[in-house]
This record gives sequence, C-alpha cells and structure tokens, in this order.
Amino acid sequence: AQKVTQAQTEISVVEKEDVTLDCVYETRDTTYYLFWYKQPPSGELVFLIRRNSFDEQNEISGRYSWNFQKSTSSFNFTITASQVVDSAVYFCALSEGEAGNMLTFGGGTRLMVKP
Amino acid sequence: ETGVTQSPTHLIKTRGQQVTLRCSSQSGHNTVSWYQQALGQGPQFIFQYYREEENGRGNFPPRFSGLQFPNYSSELNVNALELDDSALYLCASSAGLAEYFGPGTRLLVL
Repeated sequence: AQKVTQAQTEISVVEKEDVTLDCVYETRDTTYYLFWYKQPPSGELVFLIRRNSFDEQNEISGRYSWNFQKSTSSFNFTITASQVVDSAVYFCALSEGEAGNMLTFGGGTRLMVKP
Repeated sequence: ETGVTQSPTHLIKTRGQQVTLRCSSQSGHNTVSWYQQALGQGPQFIFQYYREEENGRGNFPPRFSGLQFPNYSSELNVNALELDDSALYLCASSAGLAEYFGPGTRLLVL
C-alpha cells in the first residue's frame, strides 16, 4: 500500500531564510505521481506541483524548487528567501497509476515564517 | 481560485443525524473526489466519481455515500453521524492532470 511521510510536523524560520520541507513516499507501482499542496489558514488546498515517476528532473518556479530522487523515494520542496505569506501547512501527496487522482497525503508540515 | 465550490461552508449536527454536502466541479472536469481532513491531519480519500459512477473508494464505511450528477456536480452523504466525523470535508475535481480542491465544508458533530 502507498504511504507518504512528512517527518517535520512544524518548522519555524525567519523571513528571507531558505527552508526545505521533506517528503518520503512508499509505493509498489512503477507509474505514479507526486504532488505538493499548500493549505493556508482559510483551509483551501492550493496545487503547487505535479511530478510523474519517470521525470526526475528538478524543477524551479520562482522561489520554489523541488528535488525528486527515486533512489531515496524522496520529493523535497525548498522555498528560497522565505516570506511571511509562505506561512501555511504544506502537504506532499502520492497518486498511484496514470490518473493523477485518489491521492494519499502525508501528515503535513506547518511552516511559520516570522518577520 | 480553482472554480470548485462547496456548500455549506460550516455545519453543526448531532450524533445520529444525517448530512448532505454539495460540490460544484470546475468546468470541464468529469471526475470528482471527496476527502476528509481531521484537525491537524492530512486529508484522507473517501471516494471518487467518474461520469456518475463510483470508481474508487478509500477505507470508509458504507454510511459514507455519494452521487455525481450529469452536470458533474456531486454530493457526499453521511448517515448515522458519529463524533469522529467532525472534520473538514474537501471536494476535488480533475480532468486527469491534477486535482483542484474547493474551500471545504467544516462539519461539527455534537
């Protein structure tokens, strides 16, 4: 069965610091998708990125970057020069198969960025 | 904004009652999923509907049921409410690339 582990339950940083959120996953499928979502206090899950199991290229989007390593079953998320608006709970999720839905979520990491 | 809407935003029920939550999918999305998020935890997959048929279910009892309508809107029904059903219920729609979530319905069971 699939499983996602986010070992960091809470991280606190000062604005402008870089921060990395860890995600480790387990799956027996060779085809799967990995996701990161952001959940601000309002509660709505905001889609950040989707990565399929055949694409290990790292991705950068502005201050956000993602490091996918199949050898260690990890899909880590780095925020560079963090800002107060980055404060939220971040979830890593896994979807087995080709559809990219029916997600298994990790427990989330609460990020607090202090001014 | 994702274009996925849910109603109501908040709801209070008592143990043993029944509840219906509603979701309107993003335009063009024929797949809808429902998730339960207990306080301080990650969302858990309840079930998914594709073209009005259930095509996937998580580890939830039969008292959790759903419907999807021809316009792809959806309902989640929970019978015989228990205290542990108190949670944020999230609806997500997709067209195969990723799931886009609505704002959720916060259900409190007393």
